[in-house]
Amino acid sequence: DSGVTQTPKHLITATGQRVTLRCSPRSGDLSVYWYQQSLDQGLQFLIQYYNGEERAKGNILERFSAQQFPDLHSELNLSSLELGDSALYFCASTRGTNGYTFGSGTRLTVV
Amino acid sequence: QQQVKQSPQSLIVQKGGISIINCAYENTAFDYFPWYQQFPGKGPALLIAIRPDVSEKKEGRFTISFNKSAKQFSLHIMDSQPGDSATYFCAACVRISSGSARQLTFGSGTQLTVLP
Repeated sequence: DSGVTQTPKHLITATGQRVTLRCSPRSGDLSVYWYQQSLDQGLQFLIQYYNGEERAKGNILERFSAQQFPDLHSELNLSSLELGDSALYFCASTRGTNGYTFGSGTRLTVV
Repeated sequence: QQQVKQSPQSLIVQKGGISIINCAYENTAFDYFPWYQQFPGKGPALLIAIRPDVSEKKEGRFTISFNKSAKQFSLHIMDSQPGDSATYFCAACVRISSGSARQLTFGSGTQLTVLP
């Protein structure tokens, strides 16, 4: 157990739907990062939050959004889902040092 | 400039052999270079990391070699074992704003298979 908790582990939904992925960072970690991993794209950085504030954006689609709450957990919202959004979504946290700790991911399947 | 290029894409090694994975970068602002190991269905896990002021770091069977002038670094797995079969990602970290915000950029990954 890495200390980073992601729920749900698996999610199957239809095209056009909206889903929310949840991440609880490791205790004491202020930064949360979201990554998308698909077979042909590797690990793609989506967005970073630090202590509730958005700090950096990567290749995140406009249909996707995220937020970090006062208790530091984060949610990634994916809307108008397309087949190509099927992927593993990882959350990672860090205290601001260099070590990222990843959760075990949410496998999203859009059918 | 944020890219980290990793090769090979896949690698097959006999048990007991040496596995070598290479990475290259352009951004000289990168100041921390970790390697992650990922097993199927799991999240990436930090394996070993190095800072650019060090040319080599060894932890057990895993060694990072770092060439700052060439902007290249590599992972060597000595005495490779079937249990090492996984996907390996190199990465590079840079400060992206004031304070402690940092961003990790990953290489494309190497799928290592160690044959028994």
